[in-house]
Amino acid sequence: DQQVKQNSPSLSVQEGRISILNCDYTNSMFDYFLWYKKYPAEGPTFLISISSIKDKNEDGRFTVFLNKSAKHLSLHIVPSQPGDSAVYFCAANEGSQGNLIFGKGTKLSVKP
Amino acid sequence: SAVISQKPSRDICQRGTSLTIQCQVDSQVTMMFWYRQQPGQSLTLIATANQGSEATYESGFVIDKFPISRPNLTFSTLTVSNMSPEDSSIYLCSVDGGSGEKLFFGSGTQLSVL
Repeated sequence: DQQVKQNSPSLSVQEGRISILNCDYTNSMFDYFLWYKKYPAEGPTFLISISSIKDKNEDGRFTVFLNKSAKHLSLHIVPSQPGDSAVYFCAANEGSQGNLIFGKGTKLSVKP
Repeated sequence: SAVISQKPSRDICQRGTSLTIQCQVDSQVTMMFWYRQQPGQSLTLIATANQGSEATYESGFVIDKFPISRPNLTFSTLTVSNMSPEDSSIYLCSVDGGSGEKLFFGSGTQLSVL
């Protein structure tokens, strides 16, 4: 059973608009959440994270929102740029060093 | 951040053979991690490699199939043994960023088994 779920395999957005990528989790013991971005033929790169004691974390165009009661987090990219086109992975852990649980990823396409 | 060099970047192998993937980090790290991403699936942790001790394998992965070496604090290898088409995946090496929460990844090895 998947503990971290990204139910949208793909998302297409127009350049300049907002991209919203969603992630749900089932394990209430998760206390740290991360988003990674992956380009083809490259490894995932860390994008932004949020601790369970917060409900929002912002870094430039990227904002992650956490709703613990709903076990849901989302990544907002505003404004979206063509260079943001990549696969985005949501990940979570419960404090175990390195033992991240990943979702299946959402492929974002930002069209000029 | 850590710079991780992983090779080969891709390979096509015959069923029954073995492939060893190398991972080199530009700094000393305590723990290195090996992940697998099967087509259309999430990244799954195979094992944690500690220098000077046996690797710790996750449920569903065994040492005979995925032997790991960790001879020093900057290098590790993962071998995929007796390969079958089901082993066709991307294999990724990673290290933690020092905070115990964030991982840095190598560029991955795209393995296809015929």
